[in-house]
Amino acid sequence: GEDVEQSLFLSVREGDSSVINCTYTDSSSTYLYWYKQEPGAGLQLLTYIFSNMDMKQDQRLTVLLNKKDKHLSLRIADTQTGDSAIYFCAERRYYGQNFVFGPGTRLSVLP
Amino acid sequence: DAGVIQSPRHEVTEMGQEVTLRCKPISGHNSLFWYRQTMMRGLELLIYFNNNVPIDDSGMPEDRFSAKMPNASFSTLKIQPSEPRDSAVYFCASSPDRRSLGSPLHFGNGTRLTVT
Repeated sequence: GEDVEQSLFLSVREGDSSVINCTYTDSSSTYLYWYKQEPGAGLQLLTYIFSNMDMKQDQRLTVLLNKKDKHLSLRIADTQTGDSAIYFCAERRYYGQNFVFGPGTRLSVLP
Repeated sequence: DAGVIQSPRHEVTEMGQEVTLRCKPISGHNSLFWYRQTMMRGLELLIYFNNNVPIDDSGMPEDRFSAKMPNASFSTLKIQPSEPRDSAVYFCASSPDRRSLGSPLHFGNGTRLTVT
């Protein structure tokens, strides 16, 4: 299909790890992105990964890419209440300029 | 770096009125995007520009919507006449380099439009 897919909701306890999953559509996509949106704000770039990489780590964030299955995940270690937000994955297709976004996963962090 | 600047932050207007949303991209970015976000449809690309030229406006919902980019530091999205179903958050985003595919989008804080 044409859509980037994500689970809509995820709840975790403070201090646990969160894993947000995404399935993208175009095997020729060269870059994949994770954005965070807090209430009333725009989308903030968290990290991105080039499609020839399997993993990228940045402090508490780990991105895993399975290009064969077109599956992307974002792991947040030691999740804090400030991590509560909507997380969007996006792919940038090789052709054209368009970024294609998933529907977003609403992460709720419980105390 | 001031980021992408959008104005106004909130706009409330009556059906039939003209609405103009404004965007100042990050200096040096040569691609600019307008998105609309609603609960029902998520994030939708309306139009994007490269070097001030509209490249893809297939996401513009109707002729009531128009967008311009008269120079590299300013863009407008106009709705005339506005309708209640246009109520949404409108985001502007910019990107530094079309040829560099890793160049991510940088978003403004959005304009929340309410049409009554």
